[in-house]
Amino acid sequence: DQQVKQNSPSLSVQEGRISILNCDYTNSMFDYFLWYKKYPAEGPTFLISISSIKDKNEDGRFTVFLNKSAKHLSLHIVPSQPGDSAVYFCAARKYNFNKFYFGSGTKLNVKP
Amino acid sequence: NAGVTQTPKFRVLKTGQSMTLLCAQDMNHEYMYWYRQDPGMGLRLIHYSVGEGTTAKGEVPDGYNVSRLKKQNFLLGLESAAPSQTSVYFCASSSGGLAGGHTDTQYFGPGTRLTVL
Repeated sequence: DQQVKQNSPSLSVQEGRISILNCDYTNSMFDYFLWYKKYPAEGPTFLISISSIKDKNEDGRFTVFLNKSAKHLSLHIVPSQPGDSAVYFCAARKYNFNKFYFGSGTKLNVKP
Repeated sequence: NAGVTQTPKFRVLKTGQSMTLLCAQDMNHEYMYWYRQDPGMGLRLIHYSVGEGTTAKGEVPDGYNVSRLKKQNFLLGLESAAPSQTSVYFCASSSGGLAGGHTDTQYFGPGTRLTVL
């Protein structure tokens, strides 16, 4: 039973526009959420995170929003660039447990 | 710093053969993890370790064993490989960060692509 879900396997966006990637979770014990970016033939790399005590965290072009009541988080990329084309995974961790639960990933394609 | 390295990068096994995947990290991290990535399934945790000499089961531990004899190394073993273990395997490490709460992130290796025929 997947506790972290990314329901969109792929997303295509024009360069310069906003990319919005979504993630839903089921476990209310999750208190820390992360987004990872993965290029082909490489391991995932950390992108941005958010604690459950916040509802927004921003880092340059990347912003993560957390809606705890809906158990939903989203990653906004503005403006999108062709180099952002990759698979994006969201992940969640339960408080005091160092196990991370990953979604199935969303493949983002940013068209020039 | 090399970060997290994995050996080998590719491997083809026949059903029933055994092999060991090696993960090494040079960041002095306490926590290490083995994941497998399958299409449509994301990353699933196989086993993990919270320190030298410790191991624990993750979501999908069956058919795998692990050892953490040295802090910097985490080995994943397949005693009798099966076609269902065809996957891409990722190792990761993290500092732990339980005390820090919300600052811990995982650093991943480049992956090992394993095919079991």
